Amino acid sequence: DAGVIQSPRHEVTEMGQEVTLRCKPISGHNSLFWYRQTMMRGLELLIYFNNNVPIDDSGMPEDRFSAKMPNASFSTLKIQPSEPRDSAVYFCASSLEEPPSGYISKQGQGNTEAFFGQGTRLTVV
Amino acid sequence: AQKVTQAQTEISVVEKEDVTLDCVYETRDTTYYLFWYKQPPSGELVFLIRRNSFDEQNEISGRYSWNFQKSTSSFNFTITASQVVDSAVYFCALIWMDSSYKLIFGSGTRLLVRP
Repeated sequence: DAGVIQSPRHEVTEMGQEVTLRCKPISGHNSLFWYRQTMMRGLELLIYFNNNVPIDDSGMPEDRFSAKMPNASFSTLKIQPSEPRDSAVYFCASSLEEPPSGYISKQGQGNTEAFFGQGTRLTVV
Repeated sequence: AQKVTQAQTEISVVEKEDVTLDCVYETRDTTYYLFWYKQPPSGELVFLIRRNSFDEQNEISGRYSWNFQKSTSSFNFTITASQVVDSAVYFCALIWMDSSYKLIFGSGTRLLVRP
């Protein structure tokens, strides 16, 4: 598997424009995360999907941000309109939750580690 | 509240020195996972280790070792005989079971290994 694939790798846009970031998770993974990394705030979880359903979007900064996962192999994070303070590196990650959420055995079953894409560096000028 | 604290912002060592990166976590849950990730200068996040809350055994992988102590809520990471290629930002992270598997990160420790 090629790993988590994000596109574009770099994006420079003008303030007010719409930006769409794309992510292809690892095949077979059922959880997908979008993170934002800045010097000031570190790695922040924006939204988390499980089986294509948004489970927790409490980290999404404001209504200008939206995320979708129309199928198991694709997700988008959209910013409209973009602002300079949105400049950051945006990471997508995927993992496999098995067995169902809420269970870890002593043998260590449960959620696997999250594999990260290479990130999209967004600059809003 | 769930939280991961990496108090060391930056560490600088000379090659071949041993170095320990500290991680302290907070969670009300008895079931959780802890992780370490490495972010080299190229920017990608590389998984290093996962440990669940039932398994307090320390782990060694080559020059890397991890010391998990529930009594002090710590999951420290030691690099033995550090090398220049170990220079990176290292993140400790936590998933707890009543969260919807949110993976939250500490603020990271920047390690600089000088030749």
